[in-house]
Amino acid sequence: DTAVSQTPKYLVTQMGNDKSIKCEQNLGHDTMYWYKQDSKKFLKIMFSYNNKELIINETVPNRFSPKSPDKAHLNLHINSLELGDSAVYFCASSPEGTLNTGELFFGEGSRLTVL
Amino acid sequence: AQTVTQSQPEMSVQEAETVTLSCTYDTSESDYYLFWYKQPPSRQMILVIRQEAYKQQNATENRFSVNFQKAAKSFSLKISDSQLGDAAMYFCAYRQYGNKLVFGAGTILRVKS
Repeated sequence: DTAVSQTPKYLVTQMGNDKSIKCEQNLGHDTMYWYKQDSKKFLKIMFSYNNKELIINETVPNRFSPKSPDKAHLNLHINSLELGDSAVYFCASSPEGTLNTGELFFGEGSRLTVL
Repeated sequence: AQTVTQSQPEMSVQEAETVTLSCTYDTSESDYYLFWYKQPPSRQMILVIRQEAYKQQNATENRFSVNFQKAAKSFSLKISDSQLGDAAMYFCAYRQYGNKLVFGAGTILRVKS
């Protein structure tokens, strides 16, 4: 059973298109995240949601819009894709409260290529 | 803002030998977590080891151990008896309680047979 699953794993698209990446976790965690890993492998947080509420919103273009329909899902929609959006996008989740070990559990990543 | 620095972009080790990856971080907090994550070519992020700042004892997980120096804000990872499967990108990461995980730039580890 995959704990944090992302779809699609690979996405190739043209500049200007709109695309979405979906994420689901079956760990019962309260908090979910989107991280971006650029071509130099640097990982940077984009968003974080706790129980469907946005709690972290880093300096990300407003072409990126996260949506959390429930606490097990956090989707990422990107409008008007640009070449610089090419990256690997990681979804992650973590428990809070007494179950909190500090650890984030990551999905396998979604490689987005914008042509 | 918290920062994490990995000063070694790349390291090499002979199979069965020991290698140490360096990490320093900057924070004004006293309670936090530190982690080492491994990212093999499959790109999956795998937790190697974690350390809570209030614990003085260094964490160990089989062949992996850390040297945590809180005052120096240093958190190095030692891999003993290196194996070919250890070859990967290793990320040091810091997390303040209830906050985001901040990563270093990563160190590529190559294992020679």
